[in-house]
Amino acid sequence: KAGVTQTPRYLIKTRGQQVTLSCSPISGHRSVSWYQQTPGQGLQFLFEYFSETQRNKGNFPGRFSGRQFSNSRSEMNVSTLELGDSALYLCASSPDRASYEQYFGPGTRLTVT
Amino acid sequence: AQSVTQLGSHVSVSEGALVLLRCNYSSSVPPYLFWYVQYPNQGLQLLLKYTSAATLVKGINGFEAEFKKSETSFHLTKPSAHMSDAAEYFCAVSDFGLTGGGNKLTFGTGTQLKVEL
Repeated sequence: KAGVTQTPRYLIKTRGQQVTLSCSPISGHRSVSWYQQTPGQGLQFLFEYFSETQRNKGNFPGRFSGRQFSNSRSEMNVSTLELGDSALYLCASSPDRASYEQYFGPGTRLTVT
Repeated sequence: AQSVTQLGSHVSVSEGALVLLRCNYSSSVPPYLFWYVQYPNQGLQLLLKYTSAATLVKGINGFEAEFKKSETSFHLTKPSAHMSDAAEYFCAVSDFGLTGGGNKLTFGTGTQLKVEL
């Protein structure tokens, strides 16, 4: 069974632009969570989606948003990029909200210049 | 709110020596605890998990962790370090046991393990 895939793997954007990152969960998994990893703040929870609905949200500004499609694939969007948004963005999938195990993708490395 | 604290941002051991990475948790309910490993330029790989079934948990690559409620600890150990163990290790607690549940993980700050010849 294929693992969690994230596209693109690397991305360079300019301040003020917006970006969309994509995550395809493991086949059959319906819950998708997103995390931001930076050297300064470590790993921080962004949001969790299940059945196309956002179920939980971390402490991030409204510039960070996401969605989930009927096939469980998820996207996250960051608008008006700031230098501090440079990070590794990790997606994790789980069969459902009653399954505590999460499986992570390789991440998307976003660099904002 | 749940949290985990990892003592020691960097740990260095000799190849063949014992690996001990420390994690203490804070939780108002019986916790669901995890250890993940991250190799350079990669995502997180689950090493092992504690879900109240057994206090000594065995994971992949020879790692194990012991849940000690009295010490609120979940330290990760490996009897004999190998060069391939060099990576960053993260302890995490899940919201799974909380009312409302969910899959949110709260991570510690990580411990970089260096293995020397």
